[in-house]
Amino acid sequence: QLQLQESGPGLVKPSETLSLTCNISGGAISTFYWHWLRQSPGRGLEWIGFVYYNGNVDYNPSLRRRVTISMDPSESRFSLKLRDATAADTAIYYCARSPRAIQAAAQFDFWGQGAPVTVS
Amino acid sequence: DIQMAQSPSSLSAFAGDRVTVTCRASQNINNYLNWYQQKPGKAPKLLIYGATSLQRGVSSRFGGSGSGTEFTLTISSLQPEDCATYYCQQSYSAPQTFGQGTKVEIK
Repeated sequence: QLQLQESGPGLVKPSETLSLTCNISGGAISTFYWHWLRQSPGRGLEWIGFVYYNGNVDYNPSLRRRVTISMDPSESRFSLKLRDATAADTAIYYCARSPRAIQAAAQFDFWGQGAPVTVS
Repeated sequence: DIQMAQSPSSLSAFAGDRVTVTCRASQNINNYLNWYQQKPGKAPKLLIYGATSLQRGVSSRFGGSGSGTEFTLTISSLQPEDCATYYCQQSYSAPQTFGQGTKVEIK
């Protein structure tokens, strides 16, 4: 059974870079899309972006200038970097998988347990 | 971005009742609509994809319908373990967007 596990600092200072890693175990990496999402009381559930197993990426336009998502297939993990963090980036961050990027089969079928991050 | 609006924001029903949650998209999204269940302190769990397809392992009490701009999640007979918040999500176009959630409680 596929398992995803987020890790990283739970506290980030304003203007610094929020960095998280998602470890993938129990399943194939290739042919899937690997996403970051976040959830906060004020913004609800928000899609941040994805990385494909070959390194192709796409980001939410609202975060594009600050976000980098990268894949390390050899270590079965992918990472999120969000620069210039502010209090508005305080949220629970989730990693997730989808079979496709958009339209058919683009549902998030596996999720990590979530990593709470506070910017303060 | 495509806006997703859910109604009601919360509901309370008796065990055994049929419960319906509605999701409306701000434009036509064909059938690219997914439903998730989230319990406190847990990640969302996929219930329905493609508007009507039941995810493997999910109870057949859950059903989805609709296409275009209006969609429905139905719980045929509400059980205590169904108490949770339910979210719709469109995967028609990027950025993928979610509804604000519907909290379902047992009376």
